[in-house]
Amino acid sequence: AQSVAQPEDQVNVAEGNPLTVKCTYSVSGNPYLFWYVQYPNRGLQFLLKYITGDNLVKGSYGFEAEFNKSQTSFHLKKPSALVSDSALYFCAVRDKANYGGSQGNLIFGKGTKLSVKP
Amino acid sequence: DGGITQSPKYLFRKEGQNVTLSCEQNLNHDAMYWYRQDPGQGLRLIYYSQIVNDFQKGDIAEGYSVSREKKESFPLTVTSAQKNPTAFYLCASSIQGSNTEAFFGQGTRLTVV
Repeated sequence: AQSVAQPEDQVNVAEGNPLTVKCTYSVSGNPYLFWYVQYPNRGLQFLLKYITGDNLVKGSYGFEAEFNKSQTSFHLKKPSALVSDSALYFCAVRDKANYGGSQGNLIFGKGTKLSVKP
Repeated sequence: DGGITQSPKYLFRKEGQNVTLSCEQNLNHDAMYWYRQDPGQGLRLIYYSQIVNDFQKGDIAEGYSVSREKKESFPLTVTSAQKNPTAFYLCASSIQGSNTEAFFGQGTRLTVV
């Protein structure tokens, strides 16, 4: 069964410092990986995705993520954090091999709360 | 202005009542989804539909029902059989394809009073 783990419930960084939000995954086939951000009482906004190709994926608002197949990780990064980046971040995975069946839906991690202090 | 719209934003239900949450999209997406969000538990899939007049149970379908009579609409009914319905409900849609991202509505917060 596919799964996603976000090992940190909360990440605290100072404004201007680099940030990393961690994500590891487990799928039987090739993974499609996604990052979303959620602001309080709002829906999820798509940030970026890894499908194939370059392991470093660039997304919205200056975020990027690095796919590492050997470590089954897809960590979200940003070189310089902003206070406005404070939000809840979700990693999600879809198993390409099982798409179309009950196991082929997006599976979300439990989320990591990012807090950026001035 | 394309998007996915959920209504109402806040909903209060008395115990024993059924309530229906609305989800409408004008993105021409074939697939639609309902998720439930509880603090510290991430998003859990309730139901999904990949085509009109067809839908499948997700991981936590008990106590919920859906319909997909139109491509644009995927309403969720929370029945009295759902023992703990207080949660934040999110609807999403996507085009078909395993590499496609889902687009989310703004959510409905349901509270049982």
